[in-house]
Amino acid sequence: DVKVTQSSRYLVKRTGEKVFLECVQDMDHENMFWYRQDPGLGLRLIYFSYDVKMKEKGDIPEGYSVSREKKERFSLILESASTNQTSMYLCASSLEVENSPLHFGNGTRLTVT
Amino acid sequence: GQNIDQPTEMTATEGAIVQINCTYQTSGFNGLFWYQQHAGEAPTFLSYNVLDGLEEKGRFSSFLSRSKGYSYLLLKELQMKDSASYLCAVKAAGNKLTFGGGTRVLVKP
Repeated sequence: DVKVTQSSRYLVKRTGEKVFLECVQDMDHENMFWYRQDPGLGLRLIYFSYDVKMKEKGDIPEGYSVSREKKERFSLILESASTNQTSMYLCASSLEVENSPLHFGNGTRLTVT
Repeated sequence: GQNIDQPTEMTATEGAIVQINCTYQTSGFNGLFWYQQHAGEAPTFLSYNVLDGLEEKGRFSSFLSRSKGYSYLLLKELQMKDSASYLCAVKAAGNKLTFGGGTRVLVKP
């Protein structure tokens, strides 16, 4: 069974802090993704990565950056957290195959005060 | 850009059938996925369609018409545990998966 693990389930940070959200997958998947989920807006793609050290902007990359130094790990970085980044953050991974579904982690609920 | 529409909420009775529609307009098409998400949990994969027609998996079926930009998820013999949000997602160019807003289904006894 694929396991995608996000380092924190709940996180509370102050405005202006630098925040790291970590995600690890154990199935040697090539693709990794970061989404945020907000009521009424659904899941929105922030960044994704096809391979180590590769990254692509999603639909809402502003205010975020990512790092993929190892195949199994994909980190989301909020350089200077703001209150509008309060959200549920979901990491996912998939194989580099057309019909491969995303496997999601349990999510990190981030509150920025 | 991408546009994926699905109803916000639906209510149905235990044992009944519910059909959740999804319409999409995307640049490119490499398949459509349906996910189930219970409150407070991660989405889990239900089905994948890339060719026109119906895919059946037990109580759940998914249909696709590429020419109409339309899909539906059919849930039969509804059970209380089917109360959840159902997410339609389209894979456009490359591996980018874009989600609709989700449909919350409430199953009543």
